[in-house]
Amino acid sequence: DGGITQSPKYLFRKEGQNVTLSCEQNLNHDAMYWYRQDPGQGLRLIYYSQIVNDFQKGDIAEGYSVSREKKESFPLTVTSAQKNPTAFYLCASSMNSQELTDTQYFGPGTRLTVL
Amino acid sequence: AQSVTQLDSHVSVSEGTPVLLRCNYSSSYSPSLFWYVQHPNKGLQLLLKYTSAATLVKGINGFEAEFKKSETSFHLTKPSAHMSDAAEYFCVVSERSNMLTFGGGTRLMVKP
Repeated sequence: DGGITQSPKYLFRKEGQNVTLSCEQNLNHDAMYWYRQDPGQGLRLIYYSQIVNDFQKGDIAEGYSVSREKKESFPLTVTSAQKNPTAFYLCASSMNSQELTDTQYFGPGTRLTVL
Repeated sequence: AQSVTQLDSHVSVSEGTPVLLRCNYSSSYSPSLFWYVQHPNKGLQLLLKYTSAATLVKGINGFEAEFKKSETSFHLTKPSAHMSDAAEYFCVVSERSNMLTFGGGTRLMVKP
C-alpha cells in the first residue's frame, strides 16, 4: 500500500514534556510538510522540507522542531516552548516537480492533547 | 499575497438535492486552486485541482468546480447530495510552488 502514515493516532502529553510525532511516506516524494489544525479553522503550515537534510520554517514554527535525515521520514517534535500545543497535526507530502503547484497528499493525522 | 475565503462555515442540504459550497480567492498571480474533503478525525483527501487548463474541473465522487477569474471564485458543486458527503470541505489556493493557503472550511451536513 502506498501512502502516508502518521503515528500515533492519539497522543496525550503532560505540560512541560517534549513529544515527537511520526510521519512516514512511501510515495517517493521529495517534499514533506507539517500542518496544525485547530477546531473550526483551516490548516496552518509549521515546517516544510523540499529535500533531504533541508527544511524551512512555515507560518507558525515557534515551539516546534523537525529533522529530515531520510527521504521517507519527517518527524515533528512539539517542545515545551509551544504555548498551546493541543491540536490536530497533519503531515503531507508532494513530488516537488516543476509544476506550478504539486498536489499535496495528506496522512490521517495525530490528535495531540496536553493535560 | 494570496488568501481564500469560504463564504459559509456551515451548509445543510437534504439528501438528493444539489450542493453548492462557495469559495472566493485573492491572488497576485495565476493561482492553482484545490478542494479537499476531511471526514471527522481523518486526513484531507483531494477532490479536485485547477491549474489553468479547463475552467470547469471535474473531481471525484461527482463533485466539480468552476474557475471564474472575473469573479475570483471557485465554487464547488454536486448535483445530488449523498449522506456520505457529510464532511468538512476546504478550498485552497497556491500561487507559488507548494505553498498552500487554506480557507476556514465549510461543514456540509446532509439530512435524510
